[in-house]
Amino acid sequence: GESVGLHLPTLSVQEGDNSIINCAYSNSASDYFIWYKQESGKGPQFIIDIRSNMDKRQGQRVTVLLNKTVKHLSLQIAATQPGDSAVYFCAESRNQGGKLIFGQGTELSVKP
Amino acid sequence: GAGVSQSPSNKVTEKGKDVELRCDPISGHTALYWYRQSLGQGLEFLIYFQGNSAPDKSGLPSDRFSAERTGGSVSTLTIQRTQQEDSAVYLCASSNRGFSGNTIYFGEGSWLTVV
Repeated sequence: GESVGLHLPTLSVQEGDNSIINCAYSNSASDYFIWYKQESGKGPQFIIDIRSNMDKRQGQRVTVLLNKTVKHLSLQIAATQPGDSAVYFCAESRNQGGKLIFGQGTELSVKP
Repeated sequence: GAGVSQSPSNKVTEKGKDVELRCDPISGHTALYWYRQSLGQGLEFLIYFQGNSAPDKSGLPSDRFSAERTGGSVSTLTIQRTQQEDSAVYLCASSNRGFSGNTIYFGEGSWLTVV
C-alpha cells in the first residue's frame, strides 16, 4: 500500500552537532509534506512544512529538503540540543481533505 | 480555545464497555481529524470531518468505531464494546480549511487502556 517510511528508526547525536532525519514517500501525487516532533506523552508538534513546488525550506534551526525525483524528504536540525530529543515523523498529503499519511517515526537522542 | 483540546486525557475501561472521547478543535477550524497511535507506532488515520460531514471514514477499523461532529465544532469518537487491541492514544487534530497545505494541529491525545 501507499506509505511514508523512514530510513532510520533511531538516531543518536552529540549536542551541538547537526542532525539529519530522512524519509521516503511512495506516492508521486503527494503535494504537501510536514515534519512533526513528538515528545513522550504529548501530541505531535508542527515543525516545518514544504509544498511540492519547492525543494528547500528553512525555519529556525531546521531545514526541510524535498527531492521529488527520488521521492525523498529530509529534516536537518542545526546545532542539536537536548531539547530536540523526541520522535520525529514525516507526513504527506494529497489534498484528500488535507488528510496526512504518517511514517513510523525516527527517535532522535541527543547526548550532552 | 488556543489549541486542540481533548478529554479525557486518560481513560481506563473494562473490556466490553463503551467509551466516548471528545475533541474541541481550534476555534474557526472547519476540518477535524481523528488518528490513533499505538505504543511506539506511527499515526493511523481514522476519520476526517469537513464541517459536520465526514467525507472520509476509511480509517475506522470496525463498525464498533463511530464519530460525529456537531455545530461544526466539537467531535466525539465512540468505541463500542471495547477490546484490548483498542488500547492506544487517540489524537484529534484540526486545520483551517481541510485542504492540502493547511497546517494540521494536534491535541495532546486521549490515552485509552482497555483491561
